[in-house]
Amino acid sequence: EIQMTQSPSSLSASVGDRVTITCRASQSISNSLHWYQQKPGKAPKLLIYAASFLQSGVPSRFSGSGSGTDFTLTISSLQPEDFATYYCQQSYSPLYTFGQGTNLEIK
Amino acid sequence: QVQLVQSGAEVKKPGSSVKVSCKASGGVFNNYVFSWVRQAPGQGLEWVGGIIPMFGTANYAQKFQGRVTITADESTSTVYMELSSLRSEDTAVYYCAACRHDYNYAFDMWGQGAVVTVSS
Repeated sequence: EIQMTQSPSSLSASVGDRVTITCRASQSISNSLHWYQQKPGKAPKLLIYAASFLQSGVPSRFSGSGSGTDFTLTISSLQPEDFATYYCQQSYSPLYTFGQGTNLEIK
Repeated sequence: QVQLVQSGAEVKKPGSSVKVSCKASGGVFNNYVFSWVRQAPGQGLEWVGGIIPMFGTANYAQKFQGRVTITADESTSTVYMELSSLRSEDTAVYYCAACRHDYNYAFDMWGQGAVVTVSS
């Protein structure tokens, strides 16, 4: 199975900050990498698919980049509603796998 | 776009089995690939397995091989996940999620989650 490693595991930031979360795959996954946001007690929400495509309805302050094994999720200017946990996930292999998550907290 | 509605909470004894359902509506059932994703209390997301209803083929994470069975009923647009030999570590919220080729198989729709508690 393809292993997905996110960093950092947790992050403290302030409203207005620019934040970057990284995700590394244990082998090349082309652009089959997706990002989700999850808030407590809720199902995950798709933010970015295919590494860099913004899901409909997601604010443009979210962006994704990368290909192969290294990927990033960037939030250009943090808003209060962005404090949540973020996960990457690969669909290159039919045995999908998630990263361990990044908990984004208010500083 | 498909909507996913899952069955309700379950409480099971260790060693027993649980079967959770996920009914899809508002979309073409065979256009989707369905997966089950679980989340133990305070933990991250874990892919359990998935099924392509059009072909009836299922894939399972190595961790669950031999203990999980995922099936789909096209006549009712419902996907099922059965997990056997339950242990306390299987206590989690189990989500049904759907993906399509258009989105490079990203999960763009999720069910509301079903809490499964394994306790003696």
